[in-house]
Amino acid sequence: GAVVSQHPSWVICKSGTSVKIECRSLDFQATTMFWYRQFPKQSLMLMATSNEGSKATYEQGVEKDKFLINHASLTLSTLTVTSAHPEDSSFYICSATGTSGRRGTDTQYFGPGTRLTVL
Amino acid sequence: LAKTTQPISMDSYEGQEVNITCSHNNIATNDYITWYQQFPSQGPRFIIQGYKTKVTNEVASLFIPADRKSSTLSLPRVSLSDTAVYYCLVGDGGSSNTGKLIFGQGTTLQVKP
Repeated sequence: GAVVSQHPSWVICKSGTSVKIECRSLDFQATTMFWYRQFPKQSLMLMATSNEGSKATYEQGVEKDKFLINHASLTLSTLTVTSAHPEDSSFYICSATGTSGRRGTDTQYFGPGTRLTVL
Repeated sequence: LAKTTQPISMDSYEGQEVNITCSHNNIATNDYITWYQQFPSQGPRFIIQGYKTKVTNEVASLFIPADRKSSTLSLPRVSLSDTAVYYCLVGDGGSSNTGKLIFGQGTTLQVKP
């Protein structure tokens, strides 16, 4: 149980275009989803937290107009990288929890990640 | 905000038991401790979670002392396939109630034949 998928697994795009990444919880309802970014040889950096039906909460330093997050249903969240630039090239990973998001007790299950390369 | 500190790297040999200790001095009363494993170009995989004392599952054990300011992940009889980065995380110990996790640098475990 607790499977999270991401699509696509990798994407290459031209600078200035927008890219959408989907995150789905396959066998549970995800009330809260998280988006992370990971650069080579570095740890995961939390970008934003999204609750179903609400606006996402972004971490300090993350541009909400550049990284659009939508969590329209209990099984799907999307991250859209708008006007992508080479510096946005990274490994994007989502995770999901299946309860109310209360701190400390909810296990996050992670997707396999999406490798974005912006030319 | 609950910050964790782990050794940056560890080496071991096949068949040995590996213990990775993590310190989390600012852990909040309601926070749990969770360990994840990550292979290159993959999302983290849940290993084990605990609140206090000892937790054991089919892949690992987690030891948490009474003061909960540290925890130790124990991997019995590691194999080459256990070579990965291991992350120790606790819930957000700040005033927010989102359940978000902040990743530290993790411990890179290298298992040698």
